[in-house]
Amino acid sequence: DIVMTQSPDSLAVSLGERATINCKSSQSVLYSSNNKTYLAWYQQKPGQPPKLLIYWASTRESGVPDRFSGSGSGTDFTLTISSLQAEDVAVYSCQQYYSTPSFGQGTKLEIK
Amino acid sequence: QVQLVEAGGGVVQPGGSLRLSCAASGFTFSSYGMHWVRQAPGKGLEWVAFIRYDGTNKYYADSVKGRFTISRDNSKNTLYLQMNSLRAEDTAVYYCARGSGFGDLATYLFDYWGQGTLVSVSS
Repeated sequence: DIVMTQSPDSLAVSLGERATINCKSSQSVLYSSNNKTYLAWYQQKPGQPPKLLIYWASTRESGVPDRFSGSGSGTDFTLTISSLQAEDVAVYSCQQYYSTPSFGQGTKLEIK
Repeated sequence: QVQLVEAGGGVVQPGGSLRLSCAASGFTFSSYGMHWVRQAPGKGLEWVAFIRYDGTNKYYADSVKGRFTISRDNSKNTLYLQMNSLRAEDTAVYYCARGSGFGDLATYLFDYWGQGTLVSVSS
């Protein structure tokens, strides 16, 4: 099974500043036959279900603001929020869908 | 718009059973694989089960294999999860989630989620 590990567990960032969340997989989630990276990011606000933000490691889901971006390859990935807004307060989780799916433990993002 | 509405959660004793349902609307239900994903209180997300769009293939997490059964009724646009031999560690909010439009290319990518239903296993 692929283990997903996020860092940090929690993060406090000032409004308008950059927020960066890291995710590491225990093995590569790059599928060589199609050259696609099977890594997604979800946002979960309090009392709400997860919302898909990013898939294929860097493709934004329709309707997701462009301040959200995903990067990385192989086993190391990053979610970046370029200019934090108040409505971005949430828990962010990475997920691999290369094999039996697994999620990171989540990173709680707050306003400093 | 896509809507997924779960029902059937509640409090059950260890060893008991529950059947969850998920009513889907706003899309062609019979064209999408569907999943159950759970989240224990204060914990991360855990995938539980998947059923292919036509019901031919079903996959389960090791933690529920042999105890839970996923099924669907495409004529009713409804997904089900039959949960037997429940344990305290099954306590969680259970979400139904739609598999992405990429189909077999990305079986385990979830693009829409319901609001969830809480299952509490306690004596």
